[in-house]
Formats: sequence, structure tokens, C-alpha cells
Amino acid sequence: QKEVEQNSGPLSVPEGAIASLNCTYSDRGSQSFFWYRQYSGKSPELIMFIYSNGDKEDGRFTAQLNKASQYVSLLIRDSQPSDSATYLCAVNMGAQKLVFGQGTRLTINP
Amino acid sequence: KAGVTQTPRYLIKTRGQQVTLSCSPISGHRSVSWYQQTPGQGLQFLFEYFSETQRNKGNFPGRFSGRQFSNSRSEMNVSTLELGDSALYLCASSLAARAREQYFGPGTRLTVT
Repeated sequence: QKEVEQNSGPLSVPEGAIASLNCTYSDRGSQSFFWYRQYSGKSPELIMFIYSNGDKEDGRFTAQLNKASQYVSLLIRDSQPSDSATYLCAVNMGAQKLVFGQGTRLTINP
Repeated sequence: KAGVTQTPRYLIKTRGQQVTLSCSPISGHRSVSWYQQTPGQGLQFLFEYFSETQRNKGNFPGRFSGRQFSNSRSEMNVSTLELGDSALYLCASSLAARAREQYFGPGTRLTVT
């Protein structure tokens, strides 16, 4: 079992709709969870982080965490073509070691 | 505030050679982590430095090494390069050893021929 798992996609969503990205992790003791956005040919950009169970909202982005189910998700409301990218889920598994999922490629169709 | 900088941005080396990559963290950030990104393996953790000390290490051979200087700048060295070392090498900085948010630099694209 991979430590952090994401559906690789591609996930195709019409412009203006809600994009839902999911991630599961294996280490029940994990405390910190991150979502990075990576455009083709660029480095990952931190867009959301969440440490407590529940929802955290920042603009059009909402991160959801359920530690009991070992599940973290990212919702993007009012999706725009500029949201088309690969989204990486990362889990802090001790010290500064971030374990990344393989990423979900998201395409927003105008 | 300037972001994380990495030099060089692109590098082409031959098998058997060695290479040194450099990373300057965000001003005030004292922790630097290194990652390797390849299409097949994704993003994998190499090591993390704080206060000139390696605090954590990933599952990479000893050919991969690093160090951090007193000004928090970090270098990563790969000796005896192999074709499989071709990858994007990313440096990430964070405020302190236990700070959890990491910010990535633009990366160094290494090609080994």
C-alpha cells in the first residue's frame, strides 16, 4: 500500500463547476496535510494546508480532513481554466519529511 | 520577500561525473529540504537540513549528499552520476525545523547522458 494515494486522473471538470480531489494516507499518526498545485514545467506551489479535522476554506479552495478515515480532500469552487494543473497531496510523516502522492491531473474545460 | 532560489536551473552531465546543486531559502527560513521528482516515482524526499545539521534522510544511496551553511544556504551533491539520476531536483524551505509549511524553489533540471 502506498503511503499517500491519489487518483491520477485526468479529472475533467467544466468551467464554473466544483472540482473535487481526494487523497488517502496510511500513517494514522500523521498530523499535517498539504495541497500543492503544479503547472506543467513548474515547481509545486503550496495552496492549502490543514491540521485539524473538519473544513478549512481559503477563497475558492476548501480542504477537508477526516483523520478517522485517513482521508483528505480539496474542493475548488467556480473552477477556472487557470486551475488546470496537477494537484499534489502531501502528508508530513515525521520531522520535515513530506510524503507526496502521485498527483491528480485536473483539466477545466471552458 | 524573495522566494527560494536554486542554481543552476538546467544541467547536462555525463555518467560517472559528479554535480553540485545550490539552494538559497526564503530570507529568515532556516530549514531546507531536498526532493527528487521523476515521472515514474513522483516527488521523493532526499534529506532535510536545519542549523547546518542533517535532521532527516530519505531512501537514497550514499552518492546523494548535502550540507547547509551558516547562512542557511544549502548544497546537494550527487557523485558518480547514473542515467537514472536524471530528474528535477527541488529545494523547499520552511521557517524552522518543526515548521510544517514548505515552499519550493523553481528546481534544477538535471539530465545525465
